[in-house]
Amino acid sequence: SQKIEQNSEALNIQEGKTATLTCNYTNYSPAYLQWYRQDPGRGPVFLLLIRENEKEKRKERLKVTFDTTLKQSLFHITASQPADSATYLCALGDVGSSNTGKLIFGQGTTLQVKP
Amino acid sequence: EPEVTQTPSHQVTQMGQEVILRCVPISNHLYFYWYRQILGQKVEFLVSFYNNEISEKSEIFDDQFSVERPDGSNFTLKIRSTKLEDSAMYFCASRTGGAETQYFGPGTRLLVL
Repeated sequence: SQKIEQNSEALNIQEGKTATLTCNYTNYSPAYLQWYRQDPGRGPVFLLLIRENEKEKRKERLKVTFDTTLKQSLFHITASQPADSATYLCALGDVGSSNTGKLIFGQGTTLQVKP
Repeated sequence: EPEVTQTPSHQVTQMGQEVILRCVPISNHLYFYWYRQILGQKVEFLVSFYNNEISEKSEIFDDQFSVERPDGSNFTLKIRSTKLEDSAMYFCASRTGGAETQYFGPGTRLLVL
């Protein structure tokens, strides 16, 4: 069966440390993968996109890796701050033959950064 | 910075009533989407829309649902006869023709009593 799994437990880390979030998938072949941030009661906010032929992408304190052999993406936030506390969503794009751009989301990982 | 807007932010309705959720996508975007998120669950794809027609829909998007782009700026989701299980946050998203990134609106929280 097709599955997307993110860290099942909430992630609690100390301010200044690096947070690493995991997204694993099975029986999908996405053309790209996106990471979003979602605050309670709000819509997802786009952070980073990585394509199947890319290994790593960076944006400021954020880094994402994509391993299509392992079927895994890692999302890193370096020098984390309390303001980074949120739920982070992994989303696979263009997983089917239709290429309509629909996104398939994981259930999200809640990150809590303590001062 | 341009953003996707949605109205209303909250909607309470009685079971069996029709509701229309409205979205204004980013102006130069060509692809439009509706997703929903039941409380505590993941974001689920409902439908994609391009060139004035549905390009893909999920199993959730049954005959009770319809979408329309009536005037070139608004994008609407209609639920003809709401059920209790339609209670959720509904998100509209849009993207350009040349990029994959989807930009989401703030959502409409629908509560069916």
